[in-house]
Amino acid sequence: EDKVVQSPLSLVVHEGDTVTLNCSYEVTNFRSLLWYKQEKKAPTFLFMLTSSGIEKKSGRLSSILDKKELFSILNITATQTGDSAVYLCAGRRGGSNYKLTFGKGTLLTVNP
Amino acid sequence: DGGITQSPKYLFRKEGQNVTLSCEQNLNHDAMYWYRQDPGQGLRLIYYSQIVNDFQKGDIAEGYSVSREKKESFPLTVTSAQKNPTAFYLCASSIGHSLPLQPQHFGDGTRLSIL
Repeated sequence: EDKVVQSPLSLVVHEGDTVTLNCSYEVTNFRSLLWYKQEKKAPTFLFMLTSSGIEKKSGRLSSILDKKELFSILNITATQTGDSAVYLCAGRRGGSNYKLTFGKGTLLTVNP
Repeated sequence: DGGITQSPKYLFRKEGQNVTLSCEQNLNHDAMYWYRQDPGQGLRLIYYSQIVNDFQKGDIAEGYSVSREKKESFPLTVTSAQKNPTAFYLCASSIGHSLPLQPQHFGDGTRLSIL
């Protein structure tokens, strides 16, 4: 059975801090790892990672994958209150099965 | 604008009643998915469909049923056999078998509660 574990489960920081969210995975025939941000409703897509060691960046957010050690990190620099959300990590199998296995998420709270 | 529309946003079910959650997408995506989210939990896959008239069970399909008669629609029925249906239900879609490495995009969800 595929497994994705995120840590920490919750985190409280002050505006301007830098945070690192962790995601480890055990996914059969691993194909890619995805990060989503969920505020109140729909998770919104952040990054999809398929290759080790290549950083993906979007503004203050960045993410990297290590396929040897089976983990990924999501970094957020200079945090803002609008970054407060649940961050979800999901691993995807290859082949004809498009199943995503999600972790429980990290609840990030950024205080002013 | 293209997107995924779920309705209703809130739904109440009486004991022993079947209810159907709607999911429509106008993104021309082949693949569609239903997830369940419980407080403090990640998303768990209920059913998915890679193409019209075909669907597969996910990890927690018991007590649920789906149909995929049209490309843009993937309704989920929560049957009376589902003993703990109170949850947040999310529908997603993705470009399917022709381009597998594409992210799934989500609707705004339906919150189902038991009366």
